[in-house]
Amino acid sequence: QQQVKQSPQSLIVQKGGISIINCAYENTAFDYFPWYQQFPGKGPALLIAIRPDVSEKKEGRFTISFNKSAKQFSLHIMDSQPGDSATYFCAAGVVNSGGGADGLTFGKGTHLIIQP
Amino acid sequence: GAGVSQSPRYKVAKRGQDVALRCDPISGHVSLFWYQQALGQGPEFLTYFQNEAQLDKSGLPSDRFFAERPEGSVSTLKIQRTQQEDSAVYLCASSLFSGMRTEAFFGQGTRLTVV
Repeated sequence: QQQVKQSPQSLIVQKGGISIINCAYENTAFDYFPWYQQFPGKGPALLIAIRPDVSEKKEGRFTISFNKSAKQFSLHIMDSQPGDSATYFCAAGVVNSGGGADGLTFGKGTHLIIQP
Repeated sequence: GAGVSQSPRYKVAKRGQDVALRCDPISGHVSLFWYQQALGQGPEFLTYFQNEAQLDKSGLPSDRFFAERPEGSVSTLKIQRTQQEDSAVYLCASSLFSGMRTEAFFGQGTRLTVV
């Protein structure tokens, strides 16, 4: 059972445009939602993360929108640049009683290409 | 080093061979995770340590997979009698277990190819 569904599988955006990637989750126990960026041959790197107590979080050109009732969250990349071309993964996890996160459940990834 | 270090970067094993993959987490990080990433897929959780205690091993696909972190720092993922379906990138991540700090930092992974 796939607990985090990510779409689209691939995305092509013109330089300067807005890239939008969507994720939906099933497990209502999830309370930590990070987005990771992965370049070929590298491990995933955290971009931005959100907790359910807020509906939006912005860091530079990256924004997460979170809809708790719909169990959906999305990543928006404003003013997309060729250097943003990578694979993006949404993930979901549970923050345990000690404040750390349990293992994350990842989406299948979105291959993003920004055309110059 | 400043980041999570994994070795070897690449490993080719003959089917039936045992392999050991090493992870050096960021110094001081209490939590350590192992993930398996198949080609073109997202990472899948294997197991989780808090210091030397293995708190969750629900993602290990079979009893051929074994992980340890005996002194609460370096961890080793061992795969016995490797099969072709074990071919994947094995990622290690560590995180600072303090308050609400939940960011997990990933290493570059070990690409295992079973032939």
